[in-house]
Amino acid sequence: EDQVTQSPEALRLQEGESSSLNCSYTVSGLRGLFWYRQDPGKGPEFLFTLYSAGEEKEKERLKATLTKKESFLHITAPKPEDSATYLCAVPQGAQKLVFGQGTRLTINP
Amino acid sequence: GAVVSQHPSWVICKSGTSVKIECRSLDFQATTMFWYRQFPKQSLMLMATSNEGSKATYEQGVEKDKFLINHASLTLSTLTVTSAHPEDSSFYICSANPLDSRTYEQYFGPGTRLTVT
Repeated sequence: EDQVTQSPEALRLQEGESSSLNCSYTVSGLRGLFWYRQDPGKGPEFLFTLYSAGEEKEKERLKATLTKKESFLHITAPKPEDSATYLCAVPQGAQKLVFGQGTRLTINP
Repeated sequence: GAVVSQHPSWVICKSGTSVKIECRSLDFQATTMFWYRQFPKQSLMLMATSNEGSKATYEQGVEKDKFLINHASLTLSTLTVTSAHPEDSSFYICSANPLDSRTYEQYFGPGTRLTVT
């Protein structure tokens, strides 16, 4: 069965302190890996799609990378407004997405 | 682009009544829409996949007679929670996959907070 595991569950950083979030997956034939950001009380916001090992995508202070077994979301010099839950997901079956449990990121000023 | 709206954003209803939640794709057409439920500090739980013009596909354990889904057009899907009970209180989120998309990307609505008293 396809599985997605995110770590850590929660991460607290000081403003400007760079770090990485991990998303490990086990799927038969990857058809994309998706990263979303979710703020409390809101729906997830699409960030990135990665399709093949070695691929990287960037958006502001975020950079997503992909290997054959996992993806990392690197956050460089984060600001308090980067605080959110970050979710990764992979397709399952014809249309569905399987989500990880998310990483709750808190950036302290 | 790829904006999805939900209405209402929050609703309070009495136990035993029914509540309808609308999900609209505003700037694209979507053959497929999805309904999720989310409990506090938990991830998204897929309830059902809704395809325009056909019956929804429900996930295991989701009562189809309780959570009625209608996808009447390429821009609108509705979720009706029938005979709501306090345990149905939750955050309901819809998403949509663009009709002309060659990927599995889903774009999410802002969510609807349902409280059943």
